[in-house]
Amino acid sequence: DAKTTQPPSMDCAEGRAANLPCNHSTISGNEYVYWYRQIHSQGPQYIIHGLKNNETNEMASLIITEDRKSSTLILPHATLRDTAVYYCIVHEKLTFGTGTRLTIIP
Amino acid sequence: DTEVTQTPKHLVMGMTNKKSLKCEQHMGHRAMYWYKQKAKKPPELMFVYSYEKLSINESVPSRFSPECPNSSLLNLHLHALQPEDSALYLCASSLTTGGTKNIQYFGAGTRLSVL
Repeated sequence: DAKTTQPPSMDCAEGRAANLPCNHSTISGNEYVYWYRQIHSQGPQYIIHGLKNNETNEMASLIITEDRKSSTLILPHATLRDTAVYYCIVHEKLTFGTGTRLTIIP
Repeated sequence: DTEVTQTPKHLVMGMTNKKSLKCEQHMGHRAMYWYKQKAKKPPELMFVYSYEKLSINESVPSRFSPECPNSSLLNLHLHALQPEDSALYLCASSLTTGGTKNIQYFGAGTRLSVL
């Protein structure tokens, strides 16, 4: 299983872009990168996923490096409701790593 | 409708009790999952059902017994649990188990306390 490395915590000012990095240097060619988040006491919520190309949806953008060894989740205009633990996952069985606790500062 | 419904939301049980957790989805998904999450830890996969058959058991103790009666329902039967089994139990579903169809939708979880 490809493993991921994420910073344990990050702060971001409300209204600014939040950029969450993830390293997945052992990713194999057919593994997708998924991002989920978990707001306190709730179930994880799917955000976005990608294979090679950059992706954007109504929640976020996903930038994957050309060698696919790392990716960045971008929340373009962070709000207080974006405070959560963000998980980067690169295995179909969804083996969760420790994630990044993102705190949006008013 | 992207809802996965878990009942009950909270459960307190003694070590000799038998109880069941229930999970339901009506999205036509054919894969369903059970996860266990301890406080301040990430979710850990327990079981995966694909087309109503158990496809993955992550070496879970036999006091946890999953059941998939049909494609919309997933149960987790609990018997003779230990206090260390107290945790948030999460259910999820996805269209199938592979590739881009593996986007999982999670329920809110059942918070279990074993006394």
